[in-house]
Amino acid sequence: EAGVTQFPSHSVIEKGQTVTLRCDPISGHDNLYWYRRVMGKEIKFLLHFVKESKQDESGMPNNRFLAERTGGTYSTLKVQPAELEDSGVYFCASSNRGGYNEQFFGPGTRLTVL
Amino acid sequence: QKEVEQNSGPLSVPEGAIASLNCTYSDRGSQSFFWYRQYSGKSPELIMFIYSNGDKEDGRFTAQLNKASQYVSLLIRDSQPSDSATYLCAVRRISGGSYIPTFGRGTSLIVHP
Repeated sequence: EAGVTQFPSHSVIEKGQTVTLRCDPISGHDNLYWYRRVMGKEIKFLLHFVKESKQDESGMPNNRFLAERTGGTYSTLKVQPAELEDSGVYFCASSNRGGYNEQFFGPGTRLTVL
Repeated sequence: QKEVEQNSGPLSVPEGAIASLNCTYSDRGSQSFFWYRQYSGKSPELIMFIYSNGDKEDGRFTAQLNKASQYVSLLIRDSQPSDSATYLCAVRRISGGSYIPTFGRGTSLIVHP
């Protein structure tokens, strides 16, 4: 069974540019989560999808971040325009039942904003 | 006060020893407690979870939970160099149907031969 995949693995952009991160959850997992880890800090929750609906987006830092999950399969996280403080590793995770079961994490996308 | 606190380490132990990793949390409403292992540049991987006070054993790993004192620990027996990684503690409460964990910053473990 394929795990959670994320694309790209690394992205280097300049301040003010737009970047779109993609996450493909494990097939059949209705729950999809986005997290971010800024260097030296803990992993922080951003957003939770149940299928295509946003269950909890309390962790989204501001309106420069837009997450979508059209069709309830893969998800994208767009940052527009990117700022220096957006640099970090963005993790996606998925789980199969109400989030109560184990969340499987993807390898992350390392975003560097110059 | 951080919600979930861990000593960043590194914690260095010799091969074959017991590694003891500790975590304290501030939210008394926390109901589930998780230990993740993360190798450098890789994704966090769940190794243990515990819900009830006391000990839970799984192979060489034992999770210990004390809700009254608000701490959870992970013991790794017969430590191996392959156990060298960062160990993340996460706690979770059920709030409005959301199952979102709060992570600590992790403890770096080094097991030397």
